[in-house]
Amino acid sequence: GQNIDQPTEMTATEGAIVQINCTYQTSGFNGLFWYQQHAGEAPTFLSYNVLDGLEEKGRFSSFLSRSKGYSYLLLKELQMKDSASYLCAPLDSNYQLIWGAGTKLIIKP
Amino acid sequence: GAVVSQHPSRVICKSGTSVKIECRSLDFQATTMFWYRQFPKQSLMLMATSNEGSKATYEQGVEKDKFLINHASLTLSTLTVTSAHPEDSSFYICSARGSEGAKGVHIEETQYFGPGTRLLVL
Repeated sequence: GQNIDQPTEMTATEGAIVQINCTYQTSGFNGLFWYQQHAGEAPTFLSYNVLDGLEEKGRFSSFLSRSKGYSYLLLKELQMKDSASYLCAPLDSNYQLIWGAGTKLIIKP
Repeated sequence: GAVVSQHPSRVICKSGTSVKIECRSLDFQATTMFWYRQFPKQSLMLMATSNEGSKATYEQGVEKDKFLINHASLTLSTLTVTSAHPEDSSFYICSARGSEGAKGVHIEETQYFGPGTRLLVL
């Protein structure tokens, strides 16, 4: 079957660094997306990894290991506005996104 | 680039009426559009996938006669909730995927989401 495993909730301090891990099992694999979703809003695209390694984009970086079925999203210099849910979504063999429940990140001052 | 709009953002209707939600890709051609539903504190649930000019593919358990999807052009898809009932109250979100026309950074296979439509059926 297809499965996404992320922590349900994480708490971090403003200005700090946090890493959100994601493990997945899919029927085929065509890359993995990370989306951010603020409460009551639609998801917004953060990153896409299809090759192993780290992709850096400003304060956010995303890592992928295809052999391990593992990815993480790294957020640096946390700001209060980063409080949101972070969704790890791999793309299966049919190019369908597989969605989990996401990780709710709470930033404290 | 890669902006998706959705209208209306919020709708309240009486039970038994039909509601139409529009999804538009503003600066790129969306070869595929997706319709999702999300209940509070739950994950996104894909309802259907539509390709321009062809019939939508519905996920298991989604009634195609109740949720009518039309993808008439490369920039517009509509979802009509027919004979809405209170249990249809939810957050409906569309997304669009395309490979041509977007300016700036654009990755094929990326789904760009509209802002969502909050439906409340009384």
